[in-house]
This record gives sequence, structure tokens and C-alpha cells, in this order.
Amino acid sequence: AQKVTQTQTSISVMEKTTVTMDCVYETQDSSYFLFWYKQTASGEIVFLIRQDSYKKENATVGHYSLNFQKPKSSIGLIITATQIEDSAVYFCAMREGRPQGGRALIFGTGTTVSVSP
Amino acid sequence: GALVYQYPRRTICKSGTSMRMECQAVGFQATSVAWYRQSPQKTFELIALSTVNSAIKYEQNFTQEKFPISHPNLSFSSMTVLNAYLEDRGLYLCGATGGQNTLYFGAGTRLSVL
Repeated sequence: AQKVTQTQTSISVMEKTTVTMDCVYETQDSSYFLFWYKQTASGEIVFLIRQDSYKKENATVGHYSLNFQKPKSSIGLIITATQIEDSAVYFCAMREGRPQGGRALIFGTGTTVSVSP
Repeated sequence: GALVYQYPRRTICKSGTSMRMECQAVGFQATSVAWYRQSPQKTFELIALSTVNSAIKYEQNFTQEKFPISHPNLSFSSMTVLNAYLEDRGLYLCGATGGQNTLYFGAGTRLSVL
């Protein structure tokens, strides 16, 4: 069975600092894909960054980066130089690799990030 | 880039009536479309996954009779909520992927039932 767990319900940080969010996952598949999404106040879900299980390097996109620790089944999201507009709910998600295109995303319960000036 | 348009953004329907929501993929071919419902507590429930050339797979607690889905081509999908009642309220989200494994979401349809 697959499962995604985010234990942090909320985090508050000051603007321009770094925030780290935790996520652990469970899967029986040897191939899988891990994602982080952001949900804005309007409800829109925005894709941020992804890590493929077979890749050893941590993914980085803009001021988002991942801390992928495969032996611990962990995929943390790091946001550097946070801005007010980074305030949102962040969801970790996983998709198992096989069959191609035939599996849906499983989401964690989300972490609310509040960035203060 | 990959974009997904979902409409309407908000809808209100009377108890026992039906409403339809639509999802359009732009910039890629939506070979798979997943429909989710998000609860007020932010939990995601997968309703069904539609993949081209495969039968639509509904999750437990969701049926085709209640949530019929159409995925007629690689850019469009729709879902109807039939006989909506209070327990059907929530934010409905469509996510589409073109086989690159990343799911792109529309803005969601917020359903209120009176």
C-alpha cells in the first residue's frame, strides 16, 4: 500500500529566511515519483518540483529544493529566501511508476506555511 | 507550458440537482485525467482516474452512477455530480498528465449545495 505522511501541520517563518518541510512516504514499487505542490488561498494547486526515485541528485527549481533521502523514504522541501507570497499550504505527493500513466497521485495532509514581514 | 483550465470556479446547486464541471488541457496531451475532491480539512480523495484507451477506474465510495466522467479526447474531460446533496460539497479538482508523470491541476470547482 502507498502512503504519504506530512507530520508538520503549520510552520511560521520570517520573510527572507529558509523553511524546511518534512514528508515521508511508503511504497512497494522500486520506481516512483515524488512531488511537491502548493495550494494558494484561492484553492489553486500549483506544481513546484519533482524528484524521480532513480535520480540521486536532489532536484532544484528556483528557490525550491528537495532533500531526498531514499533509505529513509523521505523527501523534504526547502524554500530559501522566503517571500510573503510563499504563504500557502504545501502538499507532498507520490505516484508509483508502473504502469506508465496509470496511477494517480497520493497526497499528504499538507503543511501550512505562514511567512511574516 | 502545461496548463489546465477548469470551470466553473464556483457553483451552487439545489439539493437533488446535478452540476457538471469541465477540464481543458492546454499545451500538452492529457493522456490521463484524475478527478479529486478536497474536504474542508484539506484531505484529498481520489474520485476516479481516466486514462486514454483504458476504462475509467473509480475509487471505493465513488461510482460512475454518481460521478459520470467523460474523457473524449486528449484535451478535455468533464465530470458531473448527479443528485448533489450536502455531503457532496467541497473543492473538486482535475489533474491531467501527458505521460511525463507530472500531474497539472486546474483551479478547482467549489461546489456548494443548498
